[in-house]
Order: sequence, then structure tokens, then C-alpha cells
Amino acid sequence: GAVVSQHPSRVICKSGTSVKIECRSLDFQATTMFWYRQFPKQSLMLMATSNEGSKATYEQGVEKDKFLINHASLTLSTLTVTSAHPEDSSFYICSASLGSGLAVQDTQYFGPGTRLTVL
Amino acid sequence: AQSVAQPEDQVNVAEGNPLTVKCTYSVSGNPYLFWYVQYPNRGLQFLLKYITGDNLVKGSYGFEAEFNKSQTSFHLKKPSALVSDSALYFCAVRVLTGTASKLTFGTGTRLQVTL
Repeated sequence: GAVVSQHPSRVICKSGTSVKIECRSLDFQATTMFWYRQFPKQSLMLMATSNEGSKATYEQGVEKDKFLINHASLTLSTLTVTSAHPEDSSFYICSASLGSGLAVQDTQYFGPGTRLTVL
Repeated sequence: AQSVAQPEDQVNVAEGNPLTVKCTYSVSGNPYLFWYVQYPNRGLQFLLKYITGDNLVKGSYGFEAEFNKSQTSFHLKKPSALVSDSALYFCAVRVLTGTASKLTFGTGTRLQVTL
């Protein structure tokens, strides 16, 4: 149980195009999902908290117009990187919790990640 | 602000030997601590967590961790390492802030287990 999937696993795009990444909780409902970004040999940095049926909460320094998040159902959240540029190239990972996702004891389960390369 | 430190970038262990991956934390309230493992080009897999109760927490794949409040540490351990344990390990702390809580990750420790 508690499986989270991401699609695509790898994407290469041209500069200026938009890319959509999907995050799904396969066997549970997730009110809250999280989006992280990981640079090579670095830790995960939280980008935003995705709440089903409401607007996402972005971390300081993350451009909400650049990284559009939609959480339309209890099993799906999407991250769209708009007008992507080479500096957006990174490993994007989503996670979801069995509980509300906001309680300290909730365990987050992570997707396999999406590697984005912008040429 | 909460933070997690993993002082070792890499730990090298021979297969069959015990392993320890170190983690120390700094929080203003009660710490809720987690260990995750990441294999190449993959997301993080949950290993174990400390919420409350026994200081020794047992998790997946034979791993355990000991919560030490006086030393503010949560070191990951395994009695006998396997080559397949070679991966990147992240310690994380979660603290309630207002109505939400966030995971803060350490920088990761690469574990290399050799024959």
C-alpha cells in the first residue's frame, strides 16, 4: 500500500515550452500532496504544498506563476513548469500522505521522481 | 527554525559489518524524525520514524534508529550491512508550524557497502 506514481519519469523539452508532471496516489486518497525539487547531489527542497480543491501554498522564493499546481482530485496533483528554461532542469519529486498530510506524525510517501531537462 | 545535519557525505562499510549513518537535529519543539532512502534516479522510500515512545525505532529492511534527546541525535543503524543497502540516505525532521507541518531534509549521506 501507499504507492505514489509520477508521470513522466523523464522529459526533455525545448526552452520556452511548458511541461506537465502528474503525481498520483494509487491506493489511497491524499488530501495534501507536496512537490519537491532536488538538484544533483543535494537535498530535497520543498516547493509547494498542494491542497485538493484549493490553491497551493508555495514556499518562499518559488514563483507560483512559473510552477502551476493543480490538485483536482484526491488522487491526482499536477505540476506544470511554464515557459521552461535550462535553469529549471532538475529532478522533481512529489509526495503524499495517508493522513491530512499536515499532522507531524503523518508519513509522506514519495513518487519515483521526474527528471526534467530543458535544452 | 528547524534543521537537520548529516555530518558525513559518505559512509563506507564492508558487507556483514554494522553500519551507522549519523543525524542530528535542531528544533524548538518536539521533534518528529524520519529516515528515507533514495536509490539512483528514484524517489525516496520511507524507512522509519520516531514520533513518541521507545527511543529505539525499528524499520524496514532491518534498519533501526535510536532517538537520543540529550544529544539531539537520531542515528540510523543496521547490525549487518548488505551490498544492496548502498544508496543515499536522508534524515528529516517535521515540526508543527501553525496549522501545517513541513519536512526538512538533511543533505544526505551516501552509503557504500563493499564485498
